Amino acid sequence: DAGVIQSPRHEVTEMGQEVTLRCKPISGHNSLFWYRQTMMRGLELLIYFNNNVPIDDSGMPEDRFSAKMPNASFSTLKIQPSEPRDSAVYFCASSLYRDRKYEQYFGPGTRLTVT
Amino acid sequence: DAKTTQPNSMESNEEEPVHLPCNHSTISGTDYIHWYRQLPSQGPEYVIHGLTSNVNNRMASLAIAEDRKSSTLILHRATLRDAAVYYCILRDGDDYKLSFGAGTTVTVRA
Repeated sequence: DAGVIQSPRHEVTEMGQEVTLRCKPISGHNSLFWYRQTMMRGLELLIYFNNNVPIDDSGMPEDRFSAKMPNASFSTLKIQPSEPRDSAVYFCASSLYRDRKYEQYFGPGTRLTVT
Repeated sequence: DAKTTQPNSMESNEEEPVHLPCNHSTISGTDYIHWYRQLPSQGPEYVIHGLTSNVNNRMASLAIAEDRKSSTLILHRATLRDAAVYYCILRDGDDYKLSFGAGTTVTVRA
């Protein structure tokens, strides 16, 4: 299996620009997570999808952030407009929730730099 | 959320065992104990999890105290590739959330 795929791996953009991060979960998984990691705040859960439906978006920092999952094999995280404080590594993870087991498989991350 | 306490850092020599402690005194009966690790410049990686009994897999062993208020992740023979941040996380059996703390940074000396 290819694992969770994220693109791009690195993104450098200017403040005010729109940024779109992409994720392809592991085939057959029914749950998808977006996380953000910074030195100051560590690893934070932004949003959780189950069967393509957003279940918990309480971690989304503000309205500038939005996430979609149009089908079981693709998700996007969009920031519009971007700000320097959005600079972080963004991880996507997927999981198959079954029998109360919930191992999450993380992608390699997208390092976002907003100047 | 139930909380865990881990040492900030640990050092080990290559090919020696590493014992990583985790305290979780407020654990509830339905909380699973999960361990993940994050190698440099990579996403977190699942290591092992357990509920009440000790668990072994190809990566590590998990020893859970009888009262479940603490646990220890055991890497039997550390290699340089095991240098990473190790996270001990409690997850309620009916919940999807993993709350990552600061973890323990493990350094392996050659």
